Amino acid sequence: DTEVTQTPKHLVMGMTNKKSLKCEQHMGHRAMYWYKQKAKKPPELMFVYSYEKLSINESVPSRFSPECPNSSLLNLHLHALQPEDSALYLCASSQGWNEQFFGPGTRLTVL
Amino acid sequence: DAKTTQPPSMDCAEGRAANLPCNHSTISGNEYVYWYRQIHSQGPQYIIHGLKNNETNEMASLIITEDRKSSTLILPHATLRDTAVYYCIVRVGNQFYFGTGTSLTVIP
Repeated sequence: DTEVTQTPKHLVMGMTNKKSLKCEQHMGHRAMYWYKQKAKKPPELMFVYSYEKLSINESVPSRFSPECPNSSLLNLHLHALQPEDSALYLCASSQGWNEQFFGPGTRLTVL
Repeated sequence: DAKTTQPPSMDCAEGRAANLPCNHSTISGNEYVYWYRQIHSQGPQYIIHGLKNNETNEMASLIITEDRKSSTLILPHATLRDTAVYYCIVRVGNQFYFGTGTSLTVIP
């Protein structure tokens, strides 16, 4: 199994909703990442988990809350988002500092 | 801080080689160059990476200049399915610094 899966594929939420994005990999990778990508822009790193511990937070607002319950799963909890948070959210994983494998992304729309 | 610069767009005739340039003039000695591509808002797909030496795999070749300040991704025989945005990336530790990408259009 050499893929990263993300659910849901699409998500529409209001500014008062609470929702979660999920990411899963079964490649034994111990590093996992969340990226945010706006239209026609490159992905921007949000968080890095290494061995299930948060190692990098790129000054992301607290309305985004990451969680790594085990080595295969990565969640991104969303609360009180703004319309400008609408974007493609990408998850990736890697074995050490090798190439990152990206999932297909979750297309988020905040109304 | 942008660690890489790329032309915003390029065209290539189907069946010809596509040569995509990237400048990374501030790269440090232990920082790798990676190339990924992204087709129509799917997840980015790994193509190739290198440190100093030229690299080749089944998808592409990567040519890195001797001073490591620039590199070129070569797709030897471009097909219509190679139309995508190509990102040149400098890896610092386990962080990827994406360039702004080159939108490659392969023309029939």
